[in-house]
Amino acid sequence: DAGVIQSPRHEVTEMGQEVTLRCKPISGHNSLFWYRQTMMRGLELLIYFNNNVPIDDSGMPEDRFSAKMPNASFSTLKIQPSEPRDSAVYFCASNFRTGGNTEAFFGQGTRLTVV
Amino acid sequence: AQSVAQPEDQVNVAEGNPLTVKCTYSVSGNPYPFWYVQYPNRGLQFLLKYITGDNLVKGSYGFEAEFNKSQTSFHLKKPSALVSDSALYFCAVRDMSNYQLIWGAGTKLIIKP
Repeated sequence: DAGVIQSPRHEVTEMGQEVTLRCKPISGHNSLFWYRQTMMRGLELLIYFNNNVPIDDSGMPEDRFSAKMPNASFSTLKIQPSEPRDSAVYFCASNFRTGGNTEAFFGQGTRLTVV
Repeated sequence: AQSVAQPEDQVNVAEGNPLTVKCTYSVSGNPYPFWYVQYPNRGLQFLLKYITGDNLVKGSYGFEAEFNKSQTSFHLKKPSALVSDSALYFCAVRDMSNYQLIWGAGTKLIIKP
């Protein structure tokens, strides 16, 4: 398996534009996580899906952020409108949820810069 | 509140010396701790995890971790450090009430030749 695949790897956009980040989890995994990483705040969980259903979106910063998982092999994180403070590295991770010690596998991340 | 602490922002070790990166946690229920490593401009890579009954867990790249239930710690160790071990290391513990990983702030490990 190629692992968790995220696209694009880098995105530079102007403030106010819509940004869509994409994630393909590892085949067979039933849980998917979106994280944001910044120097100031470290690693933050934004939203968690289980069997394509959003379970916890309490980490989504505000209504400008939305995430979908239309099927088991694809998820998107959308920011509309984007703001400079959204600049960060966004990671997608997946695992097959069984017990508590199931590790998650991360994608390479999307580095978002909003100017 | 559930929390994971990595008390050192940075750890400096000379190549060939043993290294320890500390992690302590406070979670309810059975703890499920993990270690991840992040190299520059890369995603997080799973390094090792606690397996019930094994207080010394061995993982990738020669790393191991010592689980101490009474001290609620899961320190990462390696007997002989390599320059290539220089990276950012994250400790995480699963909160079984919501299945989410609680992350430490990360420790930057610098191995000097």
